[in-house]
Amino acid sequence: DAKTTQPTSMDCAEGRAANLPCNHSTISGNEYVYWYRQIHSQGPQYIIHGLKNNETNEMASLIITEDRKSSTLILPHATLRDTAVYYCIVSSYGGATNKLIFGTGTLLAVQP
Amino acid sequence: NAGVTQTPKFQVLKTGQSMTLQCAQDMNHEYMSWYRQDPGMGLRLIHYSVGAGITDQGEVPNGYNVSRSTTEDFPLRLLSAAPSQTSVYFCASRAGQLTDTQYFGPGTRLTVL
Repeated sequence: DAKTTQPTSMDCAEGRAANLPCNHSTISGNEYVYWYRQIHSQGPQYIIHGLKNNETNEMASLIITEDRKSSTLILPHATLRDTAVYYCIVSSYGGATNKLIFGTGTLLAVQP
Repeated sequence: NAGVTQTPKFQVLKTGQSMTLQCAQDMNHEYMSWYRQDPGMGLRLIHYSVGAGITDQGEVPNGYNVSRSTTEDFPLRLLSAAPSQTSVYFCASRAGQLTDTQYFGPGTRLTVL
């Protein structure tokens, strides 16, 4: 599975959009990009995933560059409750492994 | 649905003791996994299962055993606890494909003295 690189931490003002970048330059054609987040002391929570098209759901938007070597998770109107560690993961669809490998993530601190 | 449940929430062991961390899900999910999380680090995959009777190793399997006799349960066994196994343990499940949402349990905080 491809590795990802994320900033260690980021700040965002409450009510503003939070843009969390992720580099995955070694991603292969059959690998998806997943985003999870972990609020302090809780289990991780799924946010969104995509292959090559941009995706949007009720929580966030995922923008994947055309070459698929990087992506950005966008929280359109960050709230204090969005303060968490955000994990960007790439992993193959199906196959024998079927596993998600988490890195260290980005600590997003939403400031009032 | 209760989702993914884990017991106990907290546990203190002495070095050399054995114990089983319990994980259960009521969503009829095929895939289940165990992760550990150490301070300041991301989650590391210990073992996972793609269905009843099928298990495989993750990134850090040493010192842990798993079994999957039913779809619902996926216990994690520590055969001889070591201080290096002090961690927070999360169990997760998902329906089938890797693109399905993975649901995590609330975690078990284990301390080995």
